[in-house]
Amino acid sequence: DTVLTQSPALAVSPGERVSISCRASEGVNSYMHWYQQKPGQQPKLLIYKASNLASGVPARFSGSGSGTDFTLTIDPVEADDTATYFCQQSWNDPYTFGAGTKLELK
Amino acid sequence: QVTLKESGPGILQPSQTLSLTCTFSGFSLSTYGMGVGWIRQPSGKGLEWLANIWWDDDKYYNPSLKNRLTISKDTSNNQAFLKITNVDTADTATYYCARSTEGVMDAWGQGASVTVSS
Repeated sequence: DTVLTQSPALAVSPGERVSISCRASEGVNSYMHWYQQKPGQQPKLLIYKASNLASGVPARFSGSGSGTDFTLTIDPVEADDTATYFCQQSWNDPYTFGAGTKLELK
Repeated sequence: QVTLKESGPGILQPSQTLSLTCTFSGFSLSTYGMGVGWIRQPSGKGLEWLANIWWDDDKYYNPSLKNRLTISKDTSNNQAFLKITNVDTADTATYYCARSTEGVMDAWGQGASVTVSS
């Protein structure tokens, strides 16, 4: 299986820029997607195929990368962005998710 | 507007079969390229993809559970189903269904909590 590695947690101040990384154990082309999950809620799609902004998602969110290294960037970070962020690949069988990065605001 | 809602038994005993239903609106599983996926999340833990079913009735399972999973659909009633046989406590989780295109889960249901306990 393709293992997706994310840093477990980050803490930033509102107004700053934050980058959340996801590294795949093998290439996933551009088929990397990012989700936001707030406590008690279902995940929400933010970015699909590495860099495409999902409908209704603020332009503060952006994605980049290809192959094995991908980044979700939030700029500027707002208080409402406190959440866990998951990456997911759909290039290799089976689909896999990263363990998630918990973003906290200082 | 795309909506999905999961329903299930809530609680079941070890060795039983878990049956989940996903009722959706705003899209059709007869549309080319459309699919529905099932994903689960134990409390406080990460996400695990279980299975996908596609518009052409193609099915795709996570090999780690493949022998226990059956996914199906009722296109005319806008529903998708997942069965997991021989459950145990490790299957306790929130189960989500999601609309899926090219493996992207672009709309999710609110989740159905399932507890396996004797």
